[in-house]
Amino acid sequence: AQSVAQPEDQVNVAEGNPLTVKCTYSVSGNPYLFWYVQYPNRGLQFLLKYITGDNLVKGSYGFEAEFNKSQTSFHLKKPSALVSDSALYFCAVRGISGNTGKLIFGQGTTLQVKP
Amino acid sequence: AAGVIQSPRHLIKEKRETATLKCYPIPRHDTVYWYQQGPGQDPQFLISFYEKMQSDKGSIPDRFSAQQFSDYHSELNMSSLELGDSALYFCASSLSDIPYNEQFFGPGTRLTVL
Repeated sequence: AQSVAQPEDQVNVAEGNPLTVKCTYSVSGNPYLFWYVQYPNRGLQFLLKYITGDNLVKGSYGFEAEFNKSQTSFHLKKPSALVSDSALYFCAVRGISGNTGKLIFGQGTTLQVKP
Repeated sequence: AAGVIQSPRHLIKEKRETATLKCYPIPRHDTVYWYQQGPGQDPQFLISFYEKMQSDKGSIPDRFSAQQFSDYHSELNMSSLELGDSALYFCASSLSDIPYNEQFFGPGTRLTVL
């Protein structure tokens, strides 16, 4: 069975500091991995995805994520956090073992960036 | 750019009533997914459609049904509503039901069952 884990319920960062939101996955075969952000009372916005190739993926709003196959991780990063980055972040996975495109989400991590 | 449209945005129903949620995908997107997000929880996949055919089914109660129409919009029909059905319901669309295509989410319908 495919699954995603986000070990931190909340991450607190000072504005201007680098941020990391952690995600680990468990799938059979090669994974397709995604990060989404959710602002209060809003839908999920796509940030970036890993399909294949370069382990460092760049996405929207200055975010990037590093795929690490040996550690089965896909951590979200940003070199310099903004207060406006404060939101709920979801990591998601799709396997490629014959299933369709449904997303399996992690529990979510609340990012709090303080001025 | 056009986004996924969901209606209504808010819905309040009594127990045992029925509700219909609508989703209009991004133009040219032929695949629609429905997710349910309970308070403080991650979105859970309910059901998906590709080219008007059901393509996958998740943890959707038998009281719920859905379909995709010829113009690719989709409707989620919920009957015999229960208190536990109170949640945020998201629709997402993508171009073809291909695992590596990202899904674009609508703003959600917040259903409250009293």
